[in-house]
Amino acid sequence: ETGVTQTPRHLVMGMTNKKSLKCEQHLGHNAMYWYKQSAKKPLELMFVYSLEERVENNSVPSRFSPECPNSSHLFLHLHTLQPEDSALYLCASSQGGSYNEQFFGPGTRLTVL
Amino acid sequence: AQKVTQAQTEISVVEKEDVTLDCVYETRDTTYYLFWYKQPPSGELVFLIRRNSFDEQNEISGRYSWNFQKSTSSFNFTITASQVVDSAVYFCALSSGSARQLTFGSGTQLTVLP
Repeated sequence: ETGVTQTPRHLVMGMTNKKSLKCEQHLGHNAMYWYKQSAKKPLELMFVYSLEERVENNSVPSRFSPECPNSSHLFLHLHTLQPEDSALYLCASSQGGSYNEQFFGPGTRLTVL
Repeated sequence: AQKVTQAQTEISVVEKEDVTLDCVYETRDTTYYLFWYKQPPSGELVFLIRRNSFDEQNEISGRYSWNFQKSTSSFNFTITASQVVDSAVYFCALSSGSARQLTFGSGTQLTVLP
């Protein structure tokens, strides 16, 4: 595996379900990010982890819960989501902070029914 | 606060035409970085270029070129002799010291017709 991988690529869930998105980076980077991309909207930064410590949390609802067990893995735990949470969720990694280029995974297309 | 504006929502060109994608940014910081990313239909954002605020030299990479002008706070992207494979959404982004995060523009959907 190379670059940044995300699983699953597609996910359909009901509002009462609990699911998790997984991201893995094989680039040796020390920072990882979750973004939300909704139709007709700019990418929204959700969470930033640097050296496995959360350093940014952009007022994301508590129904989204991130987890970074090590510098290569990042999870986004989902529970009791709303239909407006349907979007493409993108994971990215970088070496150092936001001044450096971020490398993105292919995303998880989430649909909440 | 930082902001990126991509006024062109959609552009359509015929193959082999040149096309310029506009990007205007706002920041109060003197040190900042500008980026361009390409998002093909597959969804994955692909990094194209990074430029810091102290380097105003224009850059060319194959058919791609970038024009950075601090006087107008613009970082425009030109594709020369466009090809169908260039069809994608292109995002301009800004990172500056005070914000500590990457701010994206809303993107420009480029369609290159055969």
